[in-house]
Amino acid sequence: DTEVTQTPKHLVMGMTNKKSLKCEQHMGHRAMYWYKQKAKKPPELMFVYSYEKLSINESVPSRFSPECPNSSLLNLHLHALQPEDSALYLCASRLRLPNTGELFFGEGSRLTVL
Amino acid sequence: DAKTTQPPSMDCAEGRAANLPCNHSTISGNEYVYWYRQIHSQGPQYIIHGLKNNETNEMASLIITEDRKSSTLILPHATLRDTAVYYCIVRNTGNQFYFGTGTSLTVIP
Repeated sequence: DTEVTQTPKHLVMGMTNKKSLKCEQHMGHRAMYWYKQKAKKPPELMFVYSYEKLSINESVPSRFSPECPNSSLLNLHLHALQPEDSALYLCASRLRLPNTGELFFGEGSRLTVL
Repeated sequence: DAKTTQPPSMDCAEGRAANLPCNHSTISGNEYVYWYRQIHSQGPQYIIHGLKNNETNEMASLIITEDRKSSTLILPHATLRDTAVYYCIVRNTGNQFYFGTGTSLTVIP
């Protein structure tokens, strides 16, 4: 199994809603990443988890709340988002050791905030 | 952290080699160079990576200059399915992967 699975593929939410994005991998990877990608722009790093602990937060607003409940699962909780948060949210994972491997990406969750 | 710069777009004739350049002049000694591509709005697909030696796999070759300030991704025989946005990425020692602005490659029949 060499897949990173993201659900849902599409999500529409209002500014007052609370929703979550889910990412799952069963490759034994111990580093997991969230990226945000606006249209025609490169992906921007948001968060990095290493061994289920948050190791990097790229100054992301608190309306985005990541969670890593176990080594296979990564969530992104969304609350009080703004229309400008509409984007493709990409999850990725990689082996933590040896520290030379590549990122495996999911197909993304496309979020629209009304 | 090293940043990368890439030309915004390139064309390549089908069957010819596509050479995609990337500048990463502020790269430091332990930072790897990775290349990914993204078709439409799918998830980025890994192509190749390297530290200082040239690398080759079944998809592409990666040529890194001796001073490591730039690199070139070579797709030896481009096909129409290689039309995509190609990203050059530097991975720093903190395991952060920062995407460059990308090159939109169009393979022309």
